Amino acid sequence: DGGITQSPKYLFRKEGQNVTLSCEQNLNHDAMYWYRQDPGQGLRLIYYSQIVNDFQKGDIAEGYSVSREKKESFPLTVTSAQKNPTAFYLCASSIDRNNEQFFGPGTRLTVL
Amino acid sequence: GQQVMQIPQYQHVQEGEDFTTYCNSSTTLSNIQWYKQRPGGHPVFLIQLVKSGEVKKQKRLTFQFGEAKKNSSLHITATQTTDVGTYFCAVSGGSYIPTFGRGTSLIVHP
Repeated sequence: DGGITQSPKYLFRKEGQNVTLSCEQNLNHDAMYWYRQDPGQGLRLIYYSQIVNDFQKGDIAEGYSVSREKKESFPLTVTSAQKNPTAFYLCASSIDRNNEQFFGPGTRLTVL
Repeated sequence: GQQVMQIPQYQHVQEGEDFTTYCNSSTTLSNIQWYKQRPGGHPVFLIQLVKSGEVKKQKRLTFQFGEAKKNSSLHITATQTTDVGTYFCAVSGGSYIPTFGRGTSLIVHP
């Protein structure tokens, strides 16, 4: 059963703590993306990766970091430097940047 | 990246009325994709348009790509409560990765 998974669905953290969100895909896609969604803001790109061991900053990368050591995995770390981390985080993958994106179910992060 | 304007931000309709959302760019696009996100869910791909003037239909949904490849529209005929959600366009041009519009939230009143 192919797809893209994110865990956990809900995550609570204290202010000042780093937190890592997982994203795994078994679609054999080269490209992977992380988006942040806030009410009324649409989808804002945090980081994207077009191939293993390579990634680029998106529009709102400050306070976030990623790694792409394996084709299947693209974890996102929300660091304490991110001023307003509470949001809905979506991971997606695609064959390449010109094709449709498949989204995971998302992780809703709340920083207390 | 690409800049894209999507309007309206919200649209309330009575069930059975039609609905249209528009996506506009100041630059020529390579392609445009449309996604739907149900409340509490994640975006799901609907369609991709590539050719100038292209029109595609999916049941009650009609998608158009402008002749100049700078704009697109999604039209829903005779809305149903199952159409509720936010509709996003995602545009790309040249070497850019797709950029998402802010979305149009459709609210259907029974």
